[in-house]
Amino acid sequence: DTAVSQTPKYLVTQMGNDKSIKCEQNLGHDTMYWYKQDSKKFLKIMFSYNNKELIINETVPNRFSPKSPDKAHLNLHINSLELGDSAVYFCASSPGQGTSPLHFGNGTRLTVT
Amino acid sequence: AQSVTQLGSHVSVSEGALVLLRCNYSSSVPPYLFWYVQYPNQGLQLLLKYTTGATLVKGINGFEAEFKKSETSFHLTKPSAHMSDAAEYFCAVSEGTGGFKTIFGAGTRLFVKA
Repeated sequence: DTAVSQTPKYLVTQMGNDKSIKCEQNLGHDTMYWYKQDSKKFLKIMFSYNNKELIINETVPNRFSPKSPDKAHLNLHINSLELGDSAVYFCASSPGQGTSPLHFGNGTRLTVT
Repeated sequence: AQSVTQLGSHVSVSEGALVLLRCNYSSSVPPYLFWYVQYPNQGLQLLLKYTTGATLVKGINGFEAEFKKSETSFHLTKPSAHMSDAAEYFCAVSEGTGGFKTIFGAGTRLFVKA
């Protein structure tokens, strides 16, 4: 019955590799987000999708590419991983474009070695 | 541009004591304000939010916050701390409606002593 679920929970990989994180929400929400939380707990928005369309794209490297096959899923693909990409990545959802994130997943801890 | 400042990265209280977590914001338009809680190894949960109307907002787990426009503040309080309240708390601000982004503060870690 998890509202927002992310996989995997932990991801350890080497520099230069490509990896993906998957997110699914079963709330029927129209808007989904990806956030990055660094080691100091600072939370920064990366992407927001409303009904499968990108509506926010903060200044993140183009190595990061979100993909939304349908409004219940928002996956994050990362190419050529770098040490600085190590962080916890959170997926979130909200009912619509004019609302802030209501439900967060439990995060994916990415460690790049 | 909007921003959020949380005063104190760590706050420690005794069980049963008042909890006060401070948040100040800046916004060029009437803000929407939020408090979230994050327990270890979990995502954020929305505690409460202010959009319009009554300035004293009640949330879950006995928390409440008051929007004070003159002080640009949105402090979070709880009359009596419980051990289970120990967590990281984030204040956040959004502007307007329709595709806006939510800006989070740096967080305040709440410790509750027995």
